Amino acid sequence: DARVTQTPRHKVTEMGQEVTMRCQPILGHNTVFWYRQTMMQGLELLAYFRNRAPLDDSGMPKDRFSAEMPDATLATLKIQPSEPRDSAVYFCASGLLGYNEQFFGPGTRLTVL
Amino acid sequence: GESVGLHLPTLSVQEGDNSIINCAYSNSASDYFIWYKQESGKGPQFIIDIRSNMDKRQGQRVTVLLNKTVKHLSLQIAATQPGDSAVYFCAEKYSGGGADGLTFGKGTHLIIQP
Repeated sequence: DARVTQTPRHKVTEMGQEVTMRCQPILGHNTVFWYRQTMMQGLELLAYFRNRAPLDDSGMPKDRFSAEMPDATLATLKIQPSEPRDSAVYFCASGLLGYNEQFFGPGTRLTVL
Repeated sequence: GESVGLHLPTLSVQEGDNSIINCAYSNSASDYFIWYKQESGKGPQFIIDIRSNMDKRQGQRVTVLLNKTVKHLSLQIAATQPGDSAVYFCAEKYSGGGADGLTFGKGTHLIIQP
């Protein structure tokens, strides 16, 4: 049963610390997305990759957030330095070009104190 | 900016009844409209999509209706079951320039009463 996996599932950190979230997309999927979910803003697209190349990161605060795909099986989202307002659930999703269905992982719940 | 929004934050229905979840959108250039279901503690799960040149699409127990005149989208769930309890999001996709990202609405919490 192919699934998107994310680690860690929960992360509590202090303001100013670096946070790295990891995602393993479904094997064979060529598009990977990062979303952030909060009660106030709902689900927001942060960035996405196609064939490991960044296509759109306009939803991401550039000064502190960075997203990469070191290889086809790993996507990372890094926050440095983290701030309390970054507290949210971060979802990774993967899919195939030309298909609307995006497969979401279970999310990383980030709390920045 | 343009956004996708929902009329009601919570909808409570009796088990076995039909549910209708509504969504208003504002980007008339969107190519697809998609419904996702999110259960507590999980990521969103795709339910059904509809292309902008269609007005109705049916799936298993679900029907999506699109009214472009009033920019309105709805999800109908037939014979609701306890497992249908979740938050439902509508999302829109604009494929201009090869874009794939989704713009999500705020969500409607569907509660199934026994």
